[in-house]
Amino acid sequence: GENVEQHPSTLSVQEGDSAVIKCTYSDSASNYFPWYKQELGKGPQLIIDIRSNVGEKKDQRIAVTLNKTAKHFSLHITETQPEDSAVYFCAARAPGGATNKLIFGTGTLLAVQP
Amino acid sequence: GAVVSQHPSWVICKSGTSVKIECRSLDFQATTMFWYRQFPKQSLMLMATSNEGSKATYEQGVEKDKFLINHASLTLSTLTVTSAHPEDSSFYICSARGGSNYGYTFGSGTRLTVV
Repeated sequence: GENVEQHPSTLSVQEGDSAVIKCTYSDSASNYFPWYKQELGKGPQLIIDIRSNVGEKKDQRIAVTLNKTAKHFSLHITETQPEDSAVYFCAARAPGGATNKLIFGTGTLLAVQP
Repeated sequence: GAVVSQHPSWVICKSGTSVKIECRSLDFQATTMFWYRQFPKQSLMLMATSNEGSKATYEQGVEKDKFLINHASLTLSTLTVTSAHPEDSSFYICSARGGSNYGYTFGSGTRLTVV
């Protein structure tokens, strides 16, 4: 089955700097890659996603890139702000079957220092 | 946008009792619902997937008789933790999906503490 690895596990940046989180997946058939932000005690919130037919997607300060050949995708946050501090999870979905379940990475704790 | 409501947000129960957690899709029909468990500082681990009107599909290592999942309607799924023990204490999160054009919307989670 699908396996998703995520790095780094923790990331500390200064306010205004950029942050990059990287994930790799194992199933070449995976076709959907969302990124979630989770604040303490809350459920994950979708911040951006990308499908396998697209190489890059941007939404204001957030961007995601996908390299299907290398089977990795990355989250880029520019001009970080203290409110960006949270745990970020990547995920991958392998098609097929009736479930289309998401497999999550191990998470990255992002701390933005004011 | 798609909204999923999960209740209760937290619950404390005595060892040996059962607890039910509800997950509702408020503005879309959820053909598939997913239940996750998350231990502190860890990732979301998928417990089971349910399609409306069908029996849930459990992930390897998840006891189906302990974690009862019901998805009787397109807007409601429930997870019942039966005969709860302290090791079942965790953060349980549901997610709903309403077709190929919909993403995966997550509930706000339920903190279960078994004493």
